[in-house]
Amino acid sequence: SQELEQSPQSLIVQEGKNLTINCTSSKTLYGLYWYKQKYGEGLIFLMMLQKGGEEKSHEKITAKLDEKKQQSSLHITASQPSHAGIYLCGADRNQGGKLIFGQGTELSVKP
Amino acid sequence: NAGVMQNPRHLVRRRGQEARLRCSPVKGHSHVYWYRQLPEEGLKFMVYLQKENIIDESGMPKERFSAEFPKEGPSILRIQQVVRGDSAAYFCASSPGLAGGASNEQFFGPGTRLTVL
Repeated sequence: SQELEQSPQSLIVQEGKNLTINCTSSKTLYGLYWYKQKYGEGLIFLMMLQKGGEEKSHEKITAKLDEKKQQSSLHITASQPSHAGIYLCGADRNQGGKLIFGQGTELSVKP
Repeated sequence: NAGVMQNPRHLVRRRGQEARLRCSPVKGHSHVYWYRQLPEEGLKFMVYLQKENIIDESGMPKERFSAEFPKEGPSILRIQQVVRGDSAAYFCASSPGLAGGASNEQFFGPGTRLTVL
């Protein structure tokens, strides 16, 4: 079983609609990262969350980490075709060490 | 500011040859991480290095794979006697470390796509 579960695995939304991607860990995390990956390219850093209950926003993307630091959500408001790609959550359990990644959520936005 | 640089971006090797992948971290970053993304699989950690030291190599295959991060120059991931199963995208990430209470965001390079024929 995956140490970090992402849901859904894929998502198709109409342009302008809101959407949420979830990331769940069975263990408490030191830090939770969100990245976006376009096909054939590297990972673009979106946000990092460290404190229980923390919430960060950048443009139309908001990420939250629950109080127990085991679950995070990524919310996109008024989606655009430029939001399409694969969203990955990564977990840091050891304060500065390796990241463990979820399987990714593939997002398609239909114009 | 230049981000993480990786080269080559694409590498083709025949079975049995050696592959050398290079990673130049963000200027000022002293921590480098290598990850591998196999087709249809997620991103998996391989090795974590600081200058001249391997900190965590728990994700490295026991044979044929090695990594270094010398005092001068880029980090190198070396794969000897490549096999078809080594075909994957290899990503390098760098971070500033936790000195001074800084957060430890890992910034990724564009990756090297290795194809073994």
